[in-house]
Amino acid sequence: NAGVTQTPKFRILKIGQSMTLQCAQDMNHNYMYWYRQDPGMGLKLIYYSVGAGITDKGEVPNGYNVSRSTTEDFPLRLELAAPSQTSVYFCASSYRGTYHNEKLFFGSGTQLSVL
Amino acid sequence: KQEVTQIPAALSVPEGENLVLNCSFTDSAIYNLQWFRQDPGKGLTSLLLIQSSQREQTSGRLNASLDKSSGRSTLYIAASQPGDSATYLCAVIRLFVGTDSWGKLQFGAGTQVVVTP
Repeated sequence: NAGVTQTPKFRILKIGQSMTLQCAQDMNHNYMYWYRQDPGMGLKLIYYSVGAGITDKGEVPNGYNVSRSTTEDFPLRLELAAPSQTSVYFCASSYRGTYHNEKLFFGSGTQLSVL
Repeated sequence: KQEVTQIPAALSVPEGENLVLNCSFTDSAIYNLQWFRQDPGKGLTSLLLIQSSQREQTSGRLNASLDKSSGRSTLYIAASQPGDSATYLCAVIRLFVGTDSWGKLQFGAGTQVVVTP
């Protein structure tokens, strides 16, 4: 099993450009999450999904969009990139929700710079 | 609002010394607490999960304790090795309330550990 796979690993965007961060998991997990990590800060939840076709906002959703058309994939879309979106982005997944004391599995991250 | 704090932000110890990492949280109404390890350029790896009814969890050289009344958790790593160098993060989930559809993890900023040979 590959686990949680994120692409790309690094990306530089110009202000106003758009891009999609890809996330795929092969563990048949129902729950998937997108986090961002700013330097010296904890992870903040952007969006999450409890299953195909179901998504909801986290703490910091502004400027992002998501979709979940399959169980495996959970892409994160940045429509108009801004310098404030410079961060490291992590995708994670779990079979059941976190109230079942289940561990999260994380991808290796995408380092994004918006200049 | 739950605040999760990890002090110190960075720590350097010689190989063989025991590591003690601290995590404090302001709201004791938690469902569980988790410790993660983060290596540079890599994602987070779950190390230990302590349910609110538990006092500690152990895995190999790692031991995590939980004291909800004082809002503290401590991660002990015995006989540290250079391979233990990483950033360690803790995260808590609050107790379920009627409006929750799932438990949101509230992360601390982490403690960066360097173990010198």
